[in-house]
Amino acid sequence: VLTQSPATLSLSPGERASLSCRASQSVSNFLAWYQHKPGQAPRLLIYDASNRATGIPARFSGSGSGRDFTLTISSLEPEDFGLYYCQQRTNWPPTYSFGQGTILETK
Amino acid sequence: QVRMQESGPGLVKPSQTLSLTCSVSGAAASGASIRSGGYYWTWIRQHPGKGPEWIGNIYYSGSTYYNPSLKSRVTISVDTSKNQFSLQMTSVTAADTAIYYCARLVSNNWFDPWGQGTRVTVSS
Repeated sequence: VLTQSPATLSLSPGERASLSCRASQSVSNFLAWYQHKPGQAPRLLIYDASNRATGIPARFSGSGSGRDFTLTISSLEPEDFGLYYCQQRTNWPPTYSFGQGTILETK
Repeated sequence: QVRMQESGPGLVKPSQTLSLTCSVSGAAASGASIRSGGYYWTWIRQHPGKGPEWIGNIYYSGSTYYNPSLKSRVTISVDTSKNQFSLQMTSVTAADTAIYYCARLVSNNWFDPWGQGTRVTVSS
């Protein structure tokens, strides 16, 4: 089970955002982050806990291992507001689960 | 660039079978060819106000992995000649009302890219 916090984060453009994801048991570094905006396809941001996906701006970074992970957006741009999910993979047999999401909204 | 597109009925009656297809397009060199291997292909759904829920994966060979909570009602199949894969879910109820996404599974760990999703409502 993945627990994301906070449920809602209210910030202004230019501020720093830190989103948390905690796993109920260690997932090593098998953790990914996605951004999702209404009516759009979810977009991969970070894979293997800390690697930025292709085309993702450098203001997005991921950290953590084991049970605790953080997605940081160093300076919020207007297009960064939306929903964010973390996702894990269990080892064997492979199953996949997502957190319940953090809403990043404009303050 | 790989593109994923879901298609299928938006309304299904209770107790009937939900059937969706995902069409994959793009350059084979970018990993868009199902028959080339190297990737699993995935169905995911999302209920209103909830996080996404993984349904299952399929490889070009037909090898599958399913969410244990849905396994008894779900079949994922692949048609490499059409570069498509499909989802069938039997005995649907209102609890199966959701947005259904298809995606490519990369390195057996993360999903990229995703389709835009298709909304399915179960109602009489």
